[in-house]
Amino acid sequence: AQSVTQLGSHVSVSEGALVLLRCNYSSSVPPYLFWYVQYPNQGLQLLLKYTSAATLVKGINGFEAEFKKSETSFHLTKPSAHMSDAAEYFCAVQRGSQGNLIFGKGTKLSVKP
Amino acid sequence: DTGVSQDPRHKITKRGQNVTFRCDPISEHNRLYWYRQTLGQGPEFLTYFQNEAQLEKSRLLSDRFSAERPKGSFSTLEIQRTEQGDSAMYLCASSLSTSGGEQYFGPGTRLTVT
Repeated sequence: AQSVTQLGSHVSVSEGALVLLRCNYSSSVPPYLFWYVQYPNQGLQLLLKYTSAATLVKGINGFEAEFKKSETSFHLTKPSAHMSDAAEYFCAVQRGSQGNLIFGKGTKLSVKP
Repeated sequence: DTGVSQDPRHKITKRGQNVTFRCDPISEHNRLYWYRQTLGQGPEFLTYFQNEAQLEKSRLLSDRFSAERPKGSFSTLEIQRTEQGDSAMYLCASSLSTSGGEQYFGPGTRLTVT
């Protein structure tokens, strides 16, 4: 069965500091992996996705993620945090090649001025 | 393209009442998914459609829940005899039926059962 684990339910960084949100996946087949962001009382917005074309994936708002098969990881990074990045972030793996998404429990990012 | 829309955005109901939610997907998307999200958790899959066919239902979808997509466009999710445990955010997403096709989410319907 496929699954994702997000390490750290809450991450706090200072404005301008590096953002690192961790995600590890479990999959018996090459996975399709996604990162979504959710602002309070809103739906989820796609940040980026991995579909095996390249291991380093660039997304919106300056975020990127690197797929590491040997570590079964897909961590999300941003070089310099902005106040507007404060939100909850979800890592997800797609079931099969066209199925539903299986989400982690999320990591809430706080950005201190 | 106006994105995925959901109606209503908020619903407060009393235990035992029936409620119905609507989702309008992105027009060219043939796949439509329903998820449920409770506080502090990631979304959990409920069911999905390809065109008008309901292809899969999660074990989370008890017999009090029913979903339809009659003409392969909008979808409705009905909950009968609501319980307090049904209080959650109900999210709809749509996508093309391609491998690794990204799912686009609506704003959600927040249900509170009192």
